[in-house]
Amino acid sequence: DIVMTQTPLSSPVTLGQPASISCRSSQSLVHSDGNTYLSWLQQRPGQPPRLLIYKISNRFSGVPDRFSGSGAGTDFTLKISRVEAEDVGVYYCMQATQLPLSFGGGTKVEIK
Amino acid sequence: QVQLQQSGPGLLKPSQTLSLTCAISGDSVSSNSVVWGWIRQSPSRGLEWLGRTYYRSKWYNDYAESVKSRISINSDTFKNQFSLQLNSVTPEDTAVYYCARYGSVWSFDYWGQGTLVTVSS
Repeated sequence: DIVMTQTPLSSPVTLGQPASISCRSSQSLVHSDGNTYLSWLQQRPGQPPRLLIYKISNRFSGVPDRFSGSGAGTDFTLKISRVEAEDVGVYYCMQATQLPLSFGGGTKVEIK
Repeated sequence: QVQLQQSGPGLLKPSQTLSLTCAISGDSVSSNSVVWGWIRQSPSRGLEWLGRTYYRSKWYNDYAESVKSRISINSDTFKNQFSLQLNSVTPEDTAVYYCARYGSVWSFDYWGQGTLVTVSS
């Protein structure tokens, strides 16, 4: 099974400042079809997860452009260019390259 | 707009069967371009994928090894919904359970509201 490891566990950020979250997989996420099925999800308190980014760097419909994803192989990053109050929550990376699908442990973004 | 509405009991006793239903609007459970899944979330296990069902001329299912002997995911095309059954539950199965669509963006793009299931004697 692929293990997803996120750092940091918590990220206190000043409003308007950037935030960055890292995700590392225990093996390459490049699928045999050439795609890399790495997604980022946001979970606000009391809500289900919400898709932000799919296939490393593609923003899902309605996601603000302050969110961006990058990376390749086993190392991936989610960046928020300027954190807003509504960005508070827990962020998860998820791989769908191989069954079983697996999630990172989460990174909590909070305002300083 | 796709919407997933979950229903089912939230309190079970050990050894009972967990049964949850996910009613779909805005899409079809028998669509041949999406996959329907169940995920649970607990403080001890985080987000855990449980299994999926999908239709590609016939029905397919895949399950996580951790629950494979106890789980069943079924679809009802008439009611346009899919369901989760987990047998012989224990307190370790206490979690928030979500249904979700794995869509054409190759990720979980729509989620149900979540159901807290507590297993306690």
